Amino acid sequence: KQEVTQIPAALSVPEGENLVLNCSFTDSAIYNLQWFRQDPGKGLTSLLLIQSSQREQTSGRLNASLDKSSGRSTLYIAASQPGDSATYLCAVPDVDSSASKIIFGSGTRLSIRP
Amino acid sequence: GAGVSQSPRYKVTKRGQDVALRCDPISGHVSLYWYRQALGQGPEFLTYFNYEAQQDKSGLPNDRFSAERPEGSISTLTIQRTEQRDSAMYRCASSLGSMNEQFFGPGTRLTVL
Repeated sequence: KQEVTQIPAALSVPEGENLVLNCSFTDSAIYNLQWFRQDPGKGLTSLLLIQSSQREQTSGRLNASLDKSSGRSTLYIAASQPGDSATYLCAVPDVDSSASKIIFGSGTRLSIRP
Repeated sequence: GAGVSQSPRYKVTKRGQDVALRCDPISGHVSLYWYRQALGQGPEFLTYFNYEAQQDKSGLPNDRFSAERPEGSISTLTIQRTEQRDSAMYRCASSLGSMNEQFFGPGTRLTVL
């Protein structure tokens, strides 16, 4: 059964720093990995989707990498801003069950200090 | 265009009552998913549909939970005889196809007293 772990659970950094959030998964036979952002009391916003054939995906100040063989993904945030404060979740398919059942990590709660 | 919408946004009910949660997916999205999210955790898969067909309901906790999508668009998640442990955020998502990017609605916060 697919398990997803996100480290650290919480992170607080001063504004302007570059930072890396980590996601690891136990079953590497995935076809994609998705990173989401969740703001308190709000829904999930899709940030990046990386297909299994890709090694990385970029959107603005965000860059996500995927290493399937080692079961890892990282989300790199450049020049962090207070508006980046949110919980970041990664999700991968549960390949042993239906193709569309995705498993989420518990998230990293990020706080950017002005 | 409009995103995924869910109603109601908040639902407070008494233990033993039935509740129905509604999800309106993005127009044209074939796949629709239901998740439940506890505080401090990621969403937990409940069930999903392709068109009107329920493809996987392995995540439904017990037989008090059911879902339907009769016309392949709007979906309803029904919880019968609610219990306090059912209190959570219920989230709906949709995607163009079963392996495409999923887009989430704002969720329904269910509180069972």
